Amino acid sequence: KQEVTQIPAALSVPEGENLVLNCSFTDSAIYNLQWFRQDPGKGLTSLLLIQSSQREQTSGRLNASLDKSSGRSTLYIAASQPGDSATYLCAVRRTRSQGNLIFGKGTKLSVKP
Amino acid sequence: ETGVTQTPRHLVMGMTNKKSLKCEQHLGHNAMYWYKQSAKKPLELMFVYSLEERVENNSVPSRFSPECPNSSHLFLHLHTLQPEDSALYLCASSQRVTKNIQYFGAGTRLSVL
Repeated sequence: KQEVTQIPAALSVPEGENLVLNCSFTDSAIYNLQWFRQDPGKGLTSLLLIQSSQREQTSGRLNASLDKSSGRSTLYIAASQPGDSATYLCAVRRTRSQGNLIFGKGTKLSVKP
Repeated sequence: ETGVTQTPRHLVMGMTNKKSLKCEQHLGHNAMYWYKQSAKKPLELMFVYSLEERVENNSVPSRFSPECPNSSHLFLHLHTLQPEDSALYLCASSQRVTKNIQYFGAGTRLSVL
């Protein structure tokens, strides 16, 4: 059974710092991996999606990497800002045909001004 | 705005009540999803609909009854719920079940007394 773990559960950093969020999964047979952001009282916003054949994806100050063989992904946030404060969720998709995303519990990030 | 709208945003109900959650998407998508997000637990997929047909049902108790009358609307009918069913219920849609990106609504915060 696929399980997704995110460490740390919470993280507080000063503004401007570069940071890394970690995601690990137990079954390396995945179709893709996705990072989401969830703000309080709001739904999820997709940030980056990495196909199983890819090593990384970048969008602005965000860079996500994937090491499928070791069951790990990282989300790197450069020059963090208070607006980056949110919960970040990692989710893996098992197969192309199944819509089921397996989520981690998330990392709650707080960026202090 | 993601194009996925959920109503109501908040709902308080007794264990003997019957209520319904509504989800609407104007993205032209053919797949819709219900997720449950409980405190301290990862997001869990409940149901998947593709072209108004239920394609996944992840062992959800029968007190939750989904309905998809057309590809733009998805309902979750609730009856005789338990306090442990209190959670954030999120709806999502995607172009197809096999299409990667799922767009999420803001969710309905449900409290069962």
